[in-house]
Amino acid sequence: DIQMTQSPSTLSASVGDRVTITCRASQSFSSWLAWYQQKPGKAPKLLIYKASSLESGVPSRFSGSGSGTEFTLTISSLQPDDFATYFCQQLRTFGQGTKVEIK
Amino acid sequence: EVQLVESGGGLVQPGGSLRLSCVASGFTFSSHWMSWVRQAPGKGLEWVANINEDGSEKAYVDSVKGRFTFSRDNAKNSLYLQMNSLRAEDTAVYYCATIKIGGEDYFEYWGQGTPVTVSS
Repeated sequence: DIQMTQSPSTLSASVGDRVTITCRASQSFSSWLAWYQQKPGKAPKLLIYKASSLESGVPSRFSGSGSGTEFTLTISSLQPDDFATYFCQQLRTFGQGTKVEIK
Repeated sequence: EVQLVESGGGLVQPGGSLRLSCVASGFTFSSHWMSWVRQAPGKGLEWVANINEDGSEKAYVDSVKGRFTFSRDNAKNSLYLQMNSLRAEDTAVYYCATIKIGGEDYFEYWGQGTPVTVSS
């Protein structure tokens, strides 16, 4: 079974900061990776698919990169609406999540 | 506008059964693979099951195989998850989700979720 490991588990940042979240896969499946944002009490929202493709309607401050076993989600300038938990997903396995909180 | 509305969750005793439903609108339902994904309280996301466009192919996470049955009715734009022999570890919010067309399991649209609590 694939294992997905995200780091950090929690990230404290300020509005305007550049934020990077990393996801490492135990096996390589090329660029098959997605990122989701989830706010408390809400369903997850697809942000990035195929490692770097921006989902329609998602702000361009979100970007994804990587291939093989290491992937990153970058928020270029953190906005108040971005404080949330982020999950990576490869095949049918999710990472454990990274909570982005206000510093 | 794409809408997915789940229902059927609730409190059930260990060993009991529940049937979840998900009604879809705003897209061509019969053209999409669909999924159930669950989230235990305070925990991460766990894929539960997939079903193909006409219901002829299904896949389940190992922990629910033989206990859960995923089905769909394209005439009613509806999904169903029959959950039998429920365990405490099945306690979670259950989301139905569309799979993005393109051959890879990206969960494009999600419902609001329906909570399931398995407890005596």
